[in-house]
Amino acid sequence: QVQLVQSGAEMEKPGASVRLSCKASGYTFSTYTLHWVRQAPGQSLEWMGWINFGTGFTKYSPKFRGRVTITSDTSATTSFMELNNLNSADTAVYYCVRDEPNEVDADYPWGALDVWGPGTMVTVSS
Amino acid sequence: ETTLIQSPAFVSATPGDTVTISCTASQDIDDDLNWYQRKPGEPAIFLIQESSTLVRGIPPRFSGSGYGTHFTLTINNIESDDAAYYFCLQHDNFPLTFGGGTKIEIK
Repeated sequence: QVQLVQSGAEMEKPGASVRLSCKASGYTFSTYTLHWVRQAPGQSLEWMGWINFGTGFTKYSPKFRGRVTITSDTSATTSFMELNNLNSADTAVYYCVRDEPNEVDADYPWGALDVWGPGTMVTVSS
Repeated sequence: ETTLIQSPAFVSATPGDTVTISCTASQDIDDDLNWYQRKPGEPAIFLIQESSTLVRGIPPRFSGSGYGTHFTLTINNIESDDAAYYFCLQHDNFPLTFGGGTKIEIK
């Protein structure tokens, strides 16, 4: 059964960093790619970035560039998303989402975001 | 950045109704639009890809259409189990963007 299991809720102070994990199971991890998406309370979903595990290529939203880093541990079939210099606007549920491989252009997501993790709540408060 | 305007934000429907949700893109995105359903406490479910292709296992009462800038998700003969939050996603260009979402309530 294809599954994404995300790490538990986090509570951080402004200025801190948070590192979330997303462990995949039920499929060949490195064949697929992964997005990180978040949703703040009362707001719409927001795309943060994407990683191609096969090539190591990453792409980030301009809004988060410089603050977000997406990495992976292929042997552990786990992806990590680190967000730095947190502020209250970063309070949100963070999701990892699987995407199918793009056989044509490995530096661009295929766009079939087909399996979503359950989300991790991150609260930023002093 | 492509803005997706999704409407309506809320729908109250009766079982058996047909519900239509629209998603309008601020620029041409071909058919690079997906639809999703999410229920409280559960991961989102992939319903429709490339505007109109039903994902395997999704009931045929769900359908999608559109190309370029105007897209719709239609739920025919809506059931109580369809009460959920629905959203669209464009993957034509970076950054990927989402519609504002629609909450469907079943009376």
